[in-house]
Amino acid sequence: DIQMTQSPSSVSASVGDRVTITCRASQGIGTWLAWYQQKPGTAPKLLIYAASTLQSGVPSRFSGSGSGTEFTLTITSLQPEDFATYYCQQANNFPRTFGQGTKVE
Amino acid sequence: QVHLQESGPGLVKPSETLSLTCTVSDASIHDYSWAWIRQPPGKGLEWVSSVSYSGSTNHSPSLKSRVSISLDTSNNQFSLRLTSVTAADTAVYYCARHASGDWAFDVWGQGTMVPVSS
Repeated sequence: DIQMTQSPSSVSASVGDRVTITCRASQGIGTWLAWYQQKPGTAPKLLIYAASTLQSGVPSRFSGSGSGTEFTLTITSLQPEDFATYYCQQANNFPRTFGQGTKVE
Repeated sequence: QVHLQESGPGLVKPSETLSLTCTVSDASIHDYSWAWIRQPPGKGLEWVSSVSYSGSTNHSPSLKSRVSISLDTSNNQFSLRLTSVTAADTAVYYCARHASGDWAFDVWGQGTMVPVSS
């Protein structure tokens, strides 16, 4: 199985801050990586797929980069509605695996 | 707009079988692959199982001996069965759609909480 490791586990930030979350894969996955946002009591929402492609309707302050084993999610100018937990997920093969999550608080 | 809705029992007893159904609206079961993903209380996301439009399946290795997934094309639904449940299977269970190209899960149901308790 491909292990996905996110860092940090949590980040303290303020409105307007730039936030960067890292996701590392235990083996190369090309650009087969997605990022999700989850708010308490709700289902995850797809933000980015193919490592850097923004899902339709997602604000442009979200961006993704990386390939192989190291990936980043960046939120420029954090907004109040962005306080949430973020997960990466590899789609390179089965079993699909998620990172442990990063809480932005 | 595509909508997924999970349905199933509110409570399952230990050693019994958990059965969930996902009803798909405004999309055809035939056109995509579908998945179940779960989240224990206060924890992260765990992929459980997927089924393609052709009926081929993949399961989490840790659950493989207990899980099955199937399509019901006549009702545009897909289902999950998890046998011999324990308290460790207590979780919110989400159904989701594999996006075109299989890059991600692009549509999710709201989730259903399934406690395992006597």
